[in-house]
Amino acid sequence: DTGVSQNPRHKITKRGQNVTFRCDPISEHNRLYWYRQTLGQGPEFLTYFQNEAQLEKSRLLSDRFSAERPKGSFSTLEIQRTEQGDSAMYLCASSQGVSNTEAFFGQGTRLTVV
Amino acid sequence: DAKTTQPNSMESNEEEPVHLPCNHSTISGTDYIHWYRQLPSQGPEYVIHGLTSNVNNRMASLAIAEDRKSSTLILHRATLRDAAVYYCILRLNYGGSQGNLIFGKGTKLSVKP
Repeated sequence: DTGVSQNPRHKITKRGQNVTFRCDPISEHNRLYWYRQTLGQGPEFLTYFQNEAQLEKSRLLSDRFSAERPKGSFSTLEIQRTEQGDSAMYLCASSQGVSNTEAFFGQGTRLTVV
Repeated sequence: DAKTTQPNSMESNEEEPVHLPCNHSTISGTDYIHWYRQLPSQGPEYVIHGLTSNVNNRMASLAIAEDRKSSTLILHRATLRDAAVYYCILRLNYGGSQGNLIFGKGTKLSVKP
């Protein structure tokens, strides 16, 4: 297993376009998390899944954002009608179990909206 | 959200020990204390975690105060590769945010040769 994989690594899009990111967690990890990180800030929580169920969404996750995790495996994060303020690094993490285990992070997808 | 307080930045000399403090006065009895670090242009990386007892692993040691309201991450011999932002996080064990990792701003550690 090569860890958490995120694709693409970089994405440049024009304002108003839709974008979709993919995260492949470590096999059999039941928890999957999405974060957003801007320069100089810590990662901001967006949402997480327990298997295929989306259990919590941050207030940061506007209606333009949607995340799915069909069949509890990979996950996608879609941003509709992108805005310049969406430019950030989008990070995915997975873990097996809840609080007493480590989470593994991917390298992230860097989104630039022009 | 469970809150932690860390210094914004710290400096260390190479091959010297580093003690990174974290205050978490609102911790509840079952919250785990996690530490992650983030090197430039990379995703966060797990360092260590604990509940009540001090913990050691190949990367670091975690010293937890008896009242659990503070903890200290100890790097025994800092190297240049340890220069990163270090995050102290409370991972909740109950409730709607169970297991969630809420990051603060962390401590930026600089290591001088």
